[in-house]
This record gives sequence, structure tokens and C-alpha cells, in this order.
Amino acid sequence: DTGVSQDPRHKITKRGQNVTFRCDPISEHNRLYWYRQTLGQGPEFLTYFQNEAQLEKSRLLSDRFSAERPKGSFSTLEIQRTEQGDSAMYLCASSSGVDVYEQYFGPGTRLTVT
Amino acid sequence: AQTVTQSQPEMSVQEAETVTLSCTYDTSESNYYLFWYKQPPSRQMILVIRQEAYKQQNATENRFSVNFQKAAKSFSLKISDSQLGDTAMYFCAFLTGSARQLTFGSGTQLTVLP
Repeated sequence: DTGVSQDPRHKITKRGQNVTFRCDPISEHNRLYWYRQTLGQGPEFLTYFQNEAQLEKSRLLSDRFSAERPKGSFSTLEIQRTEQGDSAMYLCASSSGVDVYEQYFGPGTRLTVT
Repeated sequence: AQTVTQSQPEMSVQEAETVTLSCTYDTSESNYYLFWYKQPPSRQMILVIRQEAYKQQNATENRFSVNFQKAAKSFSLKISDSQLGDTAMYFCAFLTGSARQLTFGSGTQLTVLP
């Protein structure tokens, strides 16, 4: 069991560019979550997948954000036309169908928009 | 909507001493779960302890224990025999029975002093 992995770990981009992050959950975890964490704050929920279905989206997830989980395995989070306010740590977590209440977090992708 | 409040932005404790971190929450749900997560500097979030709301007995995990006061909507974390490795940001978090999204507090930065 290798844990939740995220790629890249750091991303610096210029305002207006598109970025895509990848999350690989723990194998056989059917639930996957994305959170955003700004400096000095707790994570805020963005979206949730059960298998390949996106079942919940936060109001924080504007139309510039899109998340997918094809085939119910890895997930991608894309931000289009990045803004400086998008600078944050993007965290991915997963949980199993056996214990849905314990979420395992990845190391995060730190995005800096210049 | 649920809210989680951590009123202590920073705390410090001497090594081997005991420290208590406070957390209050607000919800109209009857079925929910409470968690304390630890986020060490530049490292990923890990679960410290969890409490099911339907359980009256306070959860304990080695040196970590909680004081769950359901009527008061209070959920504090006690760390006994503090160790230098306990230095981290601690987040209190709430999860409804549907297990779709964690709601986090703003965190308490704990520093264990040698």
C-alpha cells in the first residue's frame, strides 16, 4: 500500500495559463476527494468522486475548475485561466468502501500563480 | 451547514508535559464523526484520532485522547507526554454521516519545546 500520491508536488505558472494536477489514490479506494488549502488555513472541500461519478462539488469550484476520474482510478484537477487567487496547496484524499469515514491524504500540489 | 472553530491559533508545551487543544463545532446533524488531523511542516496530513458521535466513550490512541462533550458541541484533544515530533499544525474536522466532505477548523500550531 503506497499511499495517496500527487503530481506535481510544486507548480509555478503565470496568470492566465492552464494547469492540471494528478492524484493517484490508494489502490481499491473507491472514494476520492479534492481540497484546497491556503496558507495558515484549514483545507476546504472542492469535490468528491465515488468511483468515476462526481457526486458533489463545492461552490468554491468555479467554472474555471474541472475535475475528472476516468475509470474510477486516478483523478485530475484542471484550472483554466489561472488567477493569483488560485495560489494554494491542492490536496487529494481517498477512502475505502469498507471505512468511508477515514480519509487518507496525499502530500499535495503547491500552486503558485505569478 | 457545519462550522468548526479552533480558537487557539498557536500553543506551546514543554517536552514531556501535557497540552489540550480546543475545538467547538456547530451542526444540526445527529449522525457525524469528529477527527483530529496533524500536519507536520512540509509533510502530509495524517489522522491522529477519531470519534463517532453516537459513542459516549471518549476515544484514545496511545498518548492522544479526546474529551467529547456532545451537548456542548466541544471536542478537545489532549496530548500527554509531549514529544518534539508532535510539533505540527493540528486541525479539528467534522464529517457528516454521508461521509462526503470534511469540514476543517483553522488549525492550532503546536510547538513542543525541548
